[in-house]
Amino acid sequence: IAGITQAPTSQILAAGRRMTLRCTQDMRHNAMYWYRQDLGLGLRLIHYSNTAGTTGKGEVPDGYSVSRANTDDFPLTLASAVPSQTSVYFCASSPDRGGTDTQYFGPGTRLTVL
Amino acid sequence: QKEVEQDPGPLSVPEGAIVSLNCTYSNSAFQYFMWYRQYSRKGPELLMYTYSSGNKEDGRFTAQVDKSSKYISLFIRDSQPSDSATYLCAPSPDSNYQLIWGAGTKLIIKP
Repeated sequence: IAGITQAPTSQILAAGRRMTLRCTQDMRHNAMYWYRQDLGLGLRLIHYSNTAGTTGKGEVPDGYSVSRANTDDFPLTLASAVPSQTSVYFCASSPDRGGTDTQYFGPGTRLTVL
Repeated sequence: QKEVEQDPGPLSVPEGAIVSLNCTYSNSAFQYFMWYRQYSRKGPELLMYTYSSGNKEDGRFTAQVDKSSKYISLFIRDSQPSDSATYLCAPSPDSNYQLIWGAGTKLIIKP
């Protein structure tokens, strides 16, 4: 049972480059999320998806885009990376989008933008 | 002021001690209170979940909510080195609403 997988594990990226972080879940969960985690700031929601075909903006969506073409995949794209996007990125999923639904997290992607 | 505040720590205690981890919040509408545990270089995982005020016990872990003080606590009895992790509190006003995440408290249990 894989749960949620994320790729790459880590990446160093030049500023201005485009980058897609991949996320795949095998639990058939409806809801998926992208968070960034920075020291002292905790988890901040970037984008979410309640179900395949729909997406929504979270707390810090600027500079990021997502798509949800099917239930399993939820890629996050940085169109033109900037150093302030250096962070650890976590993808998560839950059966439905609700505060009480357990969120299952992937192992994270450590991104450094130089 | 952040909606959810946690002391970042680290909190270092000897093995076997009782640990108290705390979280304060400002939104009186919060009804659901989650605790997630995050090991180093891993994603968070749900530890416990309580609704409204009161206590909930699960093995060595007890979650306590005091809505009058807007104060949430997680107690760990007979702490083990394997409990060393960052503990995130995450309240929510509604079962259909997204979680509001605290920044987490780093806990170190010394053998």
